[in-house]
Amino acid sequence: GAGVSQSPSNKVTEKGKDVELRCDPISGHTALYWYRQRLGQGLEFLIYFQGNSAPDKSGLPSDRFSAERTGESVSTLTIQRTQQEDSAVYLCASSYDRGSGEQYFGPGTRLTVT
Amino acid sequence: GQQVMQIPQYQHVQEGEDFTTYCNSSTTLSNIQWYKQRPGGHPVFLIQLVKSGEVKKQKRLTFQFGEAKKNSSLHITATQTTDVGTYFCAFKVVDSNYQLIWGAGTKLIIKP
Repeated sequence: GAGVSQSPSNKVTEKGKDVELRCDPISGHTALYWYRQRLGQGLEFLIYFQGNSAPDKSGLPSDRFSAERTGESVSTLTIQRTQQEDSAVYLCASSYDRGSGEQYFGPGTRLTVT
Repeated sequence: GQQVMQIPQYQHVQEGEDFTTYCNSSTTLSNIQWYKQRPGGHPVFLIQLVKSGEVKKQKRLTFQFGEAKKNSSLHITATQTTDVGTYFCAFKVVDSNYQLIWGAGTKLIIKP
């Protein structure tokens, strides 16, 4: 079956603009994660959705970042008033169970803020 | 918050030499997972360890979970160029229904 998909694969935007990144998890996966990975760095947790429970937003770096997910389907990560330090690859992952299972990653969205 | 220390940050080896990365926690872990990220790619799940003292093998890769469930290692025997990438551990803490916490990764570099 299809894996996790993300769009766009690349996004170049000007500083101050808003961007929206999309993630399509694997069908039936209740848990969905967003991570940020700067060049040569590890994974930085941003937000976690588990079914219809309230999301864990503890990793969001500022109030310019927000994410939504409707039920167990698509999620969008929105960054408002982008800054150059937002440049990174944004990875989405989904997993089958309550968050401790194997995570399946999408290919990521490479965001460049000029 | 909960953290795990993953070392080393980088390891340069000649092709054919062995490679090891370690993850250490001060807190007892419920389980530990290992992922590999190829250059330019995304993390891919390798294995999950759950039991105290567990050892699992995948061809040239050996994964261990410590007896106290506070540390884990990944050892690659006779590295090949296809092993190049960054290896991450990720874990869930006992009595926590929380999401996975990730190590910083160890980058395996094969010397030309």
